[in-house]
Amino acid sequence: AQKITQTQPGMFVQEKEAVTLDCTYDTSDPSYGLFWYKQPSSGEMIFLIYQGSYDQQNATEGRYSLNFQKARKSANLVISASQLGDSAMYFCAMREGANAGNNRKLIWGLGTSLAVNP
Amino acid sequence: DAGVIQSPRHEVTEMGQEVTLRCKPISGHNSLFWYRQTMMRGLELLIYFNNNVPIDDSGMPEDRFSAKMPNASFSTLKIQPSEPRDSAVYFCASSLRFANTEAFFGQGTRLTVV
Repeated sequence: AQKITQTQPGMFVQEKEAVTLDCTYDTSDPSYGLFWYKQPSSGEMIFLIYQGSYDQQNATEGRYSLNFQKARKSANLVISASQLGDSAMYFCAMREGANAGNNRKLIWGLGTSLAVNP
Repeated sequence: DAGVIQSPRHEVTEMGQEVTLRCKPISGHNSLFWYRQTMMRGLELLIYFNNNVPIDDSGMPEDRFSAKMPNASFSTLKIQPSEPRDSAVYFCASSLRFANTEAFFGQGTRLTVV
């Protein structure tokens, strides 16, 4: 079974509008972390935002915010005021055992391709 | 900080040849990850190290793949012999060892095996 599901292979948004990229996850571990990365056409992977399972508030980083709904096991990325430079692939990832002493591997979704139209 | 440095950026090789990909993690990071990305399979974790010790290599496709981390500042991923199906972008990433920290990725190595 998929542990990270991104149901939108491709999304379009008009410049300056907000867009939500969906991510649902599956884990029985009460302690986990959720990450979003951006991959522009140049290929590098860029970290955007992190949400811990015990965090009381939704994470925000500039124009990025994470709509964390724990009961629904969803961690949607919201990009406000889209810019042309936001056109890229976006990946959701999860790490179980977020409070573990040592690092564990990230589990990745298949990504959503976002195109921002002028 | 220069970030995670991978070399080479591009590699074209003939089937059967040995390929070595190199990675220098961010100084102070003690977790290192090797990923492979293809259109068909997306991003796959091949292996990761904590404090230079391989923790999980279950993603290594087969015995043709091997990875080493002889010290905290250097890692290699070797494919011997290479096959056309190994063509992909290979990423190295590093992070602090704590599970709630993000991984920083290198620019990737685009490998083409002909």
